[in-house]
Amino acid sequence: DAGITQSPRHKVTETGTPVTLRCHQTENHRYMYWYRQDPGHGLRLIHYSYGVKDTDKGEVSDGYSVSRSKTEDFLLTLESATSSQTSVYFCAISESAGGSYNSPLHFGNGTRLTVT
Amino acid sequence: GESVGLHLPTLSVQEGDNSIINCAYSNSASDYFIWYKQESGKGPQFIIDIRSNMDKRQGQRVTVLLNKTVKHLSLQIAATQPGDSAVYFCAETPIPGKLIFGQGTTLQVKP
Repeated sequence: DAGITQSPRHKVTETGTPVTLRCHQTENHRYMYWYRQDPGHGLRLIHYSYGVKDTDKGEVSDGYSVSRSKTEDFLLTLESATSSQTSVYFCAISESAGGSYNSPLHFGNGTRLTVT
Repeated sequence: GESVGLHLPTLSVQEGDNSIINCAYSNSASDYFIWYKQESGKGPQFIIDIRSNMDKRQGQRVTVLLNKTVKHLSLQIAATQPGDSAVYFCAETPIPGKLIFGQGTTLQVKP
């Protein structure tokens, strides 16, 4: 594993409640990412960060917000969870911008979120 | 539109045989490709990557082949072992900093 810890590993929550997922890395990598993985869709980028307090949206960012106050931590918040946000969420890190040669993404083991 | 796809959703091979997992990509501008392995309950694990100026790259028991003419990528696993059973994804980079992932092929290794 690439020194990435996601917490919690499993979460069940009710529709309309706020949820925060945490990603912690020990690699001191500049770039961090949040993906969701759903059957039939593969991995889709939610948000990413290219430095402390520097974040940007991915392709499926609606309903999600992120924060990065320290290099090692990247938080994903669902302000008001909906059933469509039931998914497995993966955090990833990379030294340079993901997709740059010799800078593959390294993933955590995911958080399985169920919204009832 | 952009897409990365896999020819076969499930591949079943005998232990000890070689495995070949295929991937078609649609964006001719993609210049970097990555293969990932994902075991049940875990995150994707980086296996090997290749740049578009290469046709072949070898790792430990794995080889990635790139055919830019037909936009095809393959992952070859030599002497497949039970521990190789997993879902394998390819990913492409149509523009720097953007990764597009395929949906995956399940590799089943029969003892």
